[in-house]
Amino acid sequence: DGGITQSPKYLFRKEGQNVTLSCEQNLNHDAMYWYRQDPGQGLRLIYYSQIVNDFQKGDIAEGYSVSREKKESFPLTVTSAQKNPTAFYLCATRTGVTDTQYFGPGTRLTVL
Amino acid sequence: GNSVTQMEGPVTLSEEAFLTINCTYTATGYPSLFWYVQYPGEGLQLLLKATKADDKGSNKGFEATYRKETTSFHLEKGSVQVSDSAVYFCALGGNTPLVFGKGTRLSVIA
Repeated sequence: DGGITQSPKYLFRKEGQNVTLSCEQNLNHDAMYWYRQDPGQGLRLIYYSQIVNDFQKGDIAEGYSVSREKKESFPLTVTSAQKNPTAFYLCATRTGVTDTQYFGPGTRLTVL
Repeated sequence: GNSVTQMEGPVTLSEEAFLTINCTYTATGYPSLFWYVQYPGEGLQLLLKATKADDKGSNKGFEATYRKETTSFHLEKGSVQVSDSAVYFCALGGNTPLVFGKGTRLSVIA
């Protein structure tokens, strides 16, 4: 079954704990992206990676970190420095051929 | 820089009504244009796209035409259904991450 997997669907953490959100793809796409979506709001870009072992900050990178050690995987860590981490997090990919982005199903993070 | 402006919602329509969601853009060059749809609790799905001026993207009864002269990419559907209730995002392509509008929530009532 091809596509983008984000796990888990729902995640709960206590305030002050770091948490890592998973994003895996078997589409062989080069670029991967992380977005944050707050209720009733649009998408805000956190980080993106166009190739393995390289990534760039997006508009709201503070309090987040990423790694891109494999083409298939782009995990996002929400650190305790992120002031208001409760949100819906979306991962996306893009081929190197077109600029169409494809999205995973999302992870809803709630910090208690 | 590149930007997208789409009409604010929410938009509420009766079933079988005509839908228009306006989207205008500012960009250098000739980027691709996209409409994505997001159903409650899900990720975004590509609805349609157009890659050059005067192209028309279409899918599931939705259409949008890339208008360079008015820098617009308005989404239209002739007869909406309850199942079309969702949030719709206009987006601008290029060599960098897509630039998204803020989204327009559509509610269709029976």
